[in-house]
Amino acid sequence: EVQLVESGGGLVQPGRSLRLSCAASGFTFDDYAMHWVRQAPGKGLEWVSGISWNSGSIGYADSVKGRFTISRDNAKNSLYLQMNSLRAEDTALYYCAKGPAGGHFDYWGQGTLVTVSS
Amino acid sequence: EIVMTQSPATLSVSPGERATLSCRASQSVSSNLAWYQQKPGQAPRLLIYGASTRATGIPARFSGSGSGTEFTLTISSLQSEDFAVYYCQQYNNWPSRTFGQGTKVEIK
Repeated sequence: EVQLVESGGGLVQPGRSLRLSCAASGFTFDDYAMHWVRQAPGKGLEWVSGISWNSGSIGYADSVKGRFTISRDNAKNSLYLQMNSLRAEDTALYYCAKGPAGGHFDYWGQGTLVTVSS
Repeated sequence: EIVMTQSPATLSVSPGERATLSCRASQSVSSNLAWYQQKPGQAPRLLIYGASTRATGIPARFSGSGSGTEFTLTISSLQSEDFAVYYCQQYNNWPSRTFGQGTKVEIK
């Protein structure tokens, strides 16, 4: 059974940093691209960042470019999102999602909540 | 950036009726289009990918069509468990993915 479990969320002050993790199991992690998607309270889905199976290709939404860094450790079956210079508008539930070759997202975690507030 | 526009924002439908949801891309995404269902307090669930291929375990009452810039998700006979928010997503250019703003399907 595919499982994606996010962690690392919490309350953080504007301008500070936070690192999210996503632990994957139930599939061959290093065969797949992985992504982060966020959802602000009461709002829609926003793609944040994606990383290829070998970390050779990475991309970011314009809203987080230069502040967030995605990475993965295939030996640990883990995905990460380093978030720096956090802003109030980064407040959201952050999901990790598995991306098969087709490009869509076939499995999602349950999310970890990030609240940016003073 | 490719902008995805969904319509309507809210769709009021009676159980057993057909629901038709639309999604338009600001430029061609070929058939690189997925649909997701999200219920309150839950993560999104993949329904359709490749514009028209149902994901594993998705009932046949869900169908997708379209290519290029115009796409449709049809739910042939709404069941109580289908009332939710539906999102389209394009994945035409790695790694960028963009979602529509969602269509809420509510009970009429």
